[in-house]
Amino acid sequence: QKEVEQDPGPLSVPEGAIVSLNCTYSNSAFQYFMWYRQYSRKGPELLMYTYSSGNKEDGRFTAQVDKSSKYISLFIRDSQPSDSATYLCAGTLWRGAAGNKLTFGGGTRVLVKP
Amino acid sequence: DARVTQTPRHKVTEMGQEVTMRCQPILGHNTVFWYRQTMMQGLELLAYFRNRAPLDDSGMPKDRFSAEMPDATLATLKIQPSEPRDSAVYFCASGPPLHRGGDTQYFGPGTRLTVL
Repeated sequence: QKEVEQDPGPLSVPEGAIVSLNCTYSNSAFQYFMWYRQYSRKGPELLMYTYSSGNKEDGRFTAQVDKSSKYISLFIRDSQPSDSATYLCAGTLWRGAAGNKLTFGGGTRVLVKP
Repeated sequence: DARVTQTPRHKVTEMGQEVTMRCQPILGHNTVFWYRQTMMQGLELLAYFRNRAPLDDSGMPKDRFSAEMPDATLATLKIQPSEPRDSAVYFCASGPPLHRGGDTQYFGPGTRLTVL
């Protein structure tokens, strides 16, 4: 079993809808969690970064972490066709993801239809 | 606009051949990561370096893979001999020091490797 699990999708939604993405993880030592977005044939880029449990909002994006259930969520409001991409969640043990090992989920492919 | 660069972008080779992939991290970044992405396994960490020293290469098949940082501006990943199961996209990522906002890794565009 992988340490971080995601439904591969694809998740297809109409433009303007809310996109809801989820991950579960098994390593209770993870302290920091990230969501990356990856467009086709590109490298992943960081979307959101959260520490421990709670919510974090950035524009149309909201990330939630529930450490008690080992559950990570990302919500995209007012979805746009440009949000069509693969979304990867990741966990790490320490602060400073730039210098530390990240464990990624397999990614969920999202399609936002005009 | 600082970016991680990787060469080559695409590589097709035959089984048994040596493959070398190169990465130029963003200037000033002190951590470099090598990842492999496949449909089946997703994004897996192969190895990473901090200040050019290898920190963890436990994700890398030691018998055929090797990773080095000859200098601060170049990281290499070699496969010798290559096998069809090595076909994947290989990403390099770099990260700034923690005191300079080291909360994310910046990924390059990847090298798409096909081993026939």
